[in-house]
Amino acid sequence: GAVVSQHPSWVICKSGTSVKIECRSLDFQATTMFWYRQFPKQSLMLMATSNEGSKATYEQGVEKDKFLINHASLTLSTLTVTSAHPEDSSFYICSAFPRPGEGEAFFGQGTRLTVV
Amino acid sequence: QKEVEQDPGPLSVPEGAIVSLNCTYSNSAFQYFMWYRQYSRKGPELLMYTYSSGNKEDGRFTAQVDKSSKYISLFIRDSQPSDSATYLCAMLRGSARQLTFGSGTQLTVLP
Repeated sequence: GAVVSQHPSWVICKSGTSVKIECRSLDFQATTMFWYRQFPKQSLMLMATSNEGSKATYEQGVEKDKFLINHASLTLSTLTVTSAHPEDSSFYICSAFPRPGEGEAFFGQGTRLTVV
Repeated sequence: QKEVEQDPGPLSVPEGAIVSLNCTYSNSAFQYFMWYRQYSRKGPELLMYTYSSGNKEDGRFTAQVDKSSKYISLFIRDSQPSDSATYLCAMLRGSARQLTFGSGTQLTVLP
């Protein structure tokens, strides 16, 4: 299947600092990527849709200024958690659809963020 | 009522058993149906992808879709301890690209 790579797989940061998470499509171009957040023993919650060359679309209740998304190329989207707080600690996952018009979505490995 | 309902389990079975995982949905606009396997602290891995009603088989896995009943299933034959994971069903409307997930079923296959 198509490969979506996420980096880093885990990160620990201090409160008040910013953390950047990268999501890359390795063998296809993705004009759209999706960022999810997952709490322990819960399903994935869509945070935002990342659009190449334009602004991201955020889901209701997701703070745009806290979760900055940049989709500067057809193979890279980044999520920056700004001024991180312990409540931002979570598992963040990105996804993309390699074949337009088809429903197969592939996910990155996920990034576990711990804010101390 | 959630658009997609999935029994969260947990479900424990002995090695070699046949596992049946199910989801029901309420929105008839869903056209694409997927099953993902997620190991702890990992991203979801696509197992099965179907577009229409019927069965699709891949090795030990069989996915069934019954659009008339709004019901999908994943069967795992000859289950192995390595199948122990959380299984998520996911659905997609037509041209939309936002997945709707079930809550996930935690499966443990005991050796």
